[in-house]
Amino acid sequence: NAGVMQNPRHLVRRRGQEARLRCSPMKGHSHVYWYRQLPEEGLKFMVYLQKENIIDESGMPKERFSAEFPKEGPSILRIQQVVRGDSAAYFCASSLGQHSGANVLTFGAGSRLTVL
Amino acid sequence: AQSVTQLDSQVPVFEEAPVELRCNYSSSVSVYLFWYVQYPNQGLQLLLKYLSGSTLVKGINGFEAEFNKSQTSFHLRKPSVHISDTAEYFCAVSADTGRRALTFGSGTRLQVQP
Repeated sequence: NAGVMQNPRHLVRRRGQEARLRCSPMKGHSHVYWYRQLPEEGLKFMVYLQKENIIDESGMPKERFSAEFPKEGPSILRIQQVVRGDSAAYFCASSLGQHSGANVLTFGAGSRLTVL
Repeated sequence: AQSVTQLDSQVPVFEEAPVELRCNYSSSVSVYLFWYVQYPNQGLQLLLKYLSGSTLVKGINGFEAEFNKSQTSFHLRKPSVHISDTAEYFCAVSADTGRRALTFGSGTRLQVQP
């Protein structure tokens, strides 16, 4: 029973390149969340998705960042034209997506992006 | 909207001593509360959660937390810590309706010394 799988674990990009981070949720989970953790800081919410639908993107930067969770395949967080300030750990979490009751999130090991 | 305050950024403690990591939250609606632990270069692991019922919640690795609604707190405790408990601890809150994502505190680094 695999947990939340994220890849790549480490990604190095030069300024101006694109970064794509992938997340496969736990089996049976239909909702995915992306968080960003800057060095020495807590986790900041970015976006909350279910299959083919963005539920809440209030934490996403207005430019260069996008996320999707297609009907088939993993969720993808895409960062265009990366800058040094994008260097961070990006964590994906998934949940059952219950409409009532607690939404317990299970986290992946993270993808660490370094922008040179 | 919800917010979480972890007052202590670092807590040094000697091995086998008790520890309390403080967490206060703010919300206009009912909430669920969580503590997660993050070991170096790893993801977050759920320690315990408060959903309803008893205000004293027991989690993994001997940790427990108490929900205090009047003080809007959810402090984490362990009666005797081990070196292996050295990690970053995050308190988190989610509303019981509407937006279901977790809001995290800034974290407390627990440093257990021999």
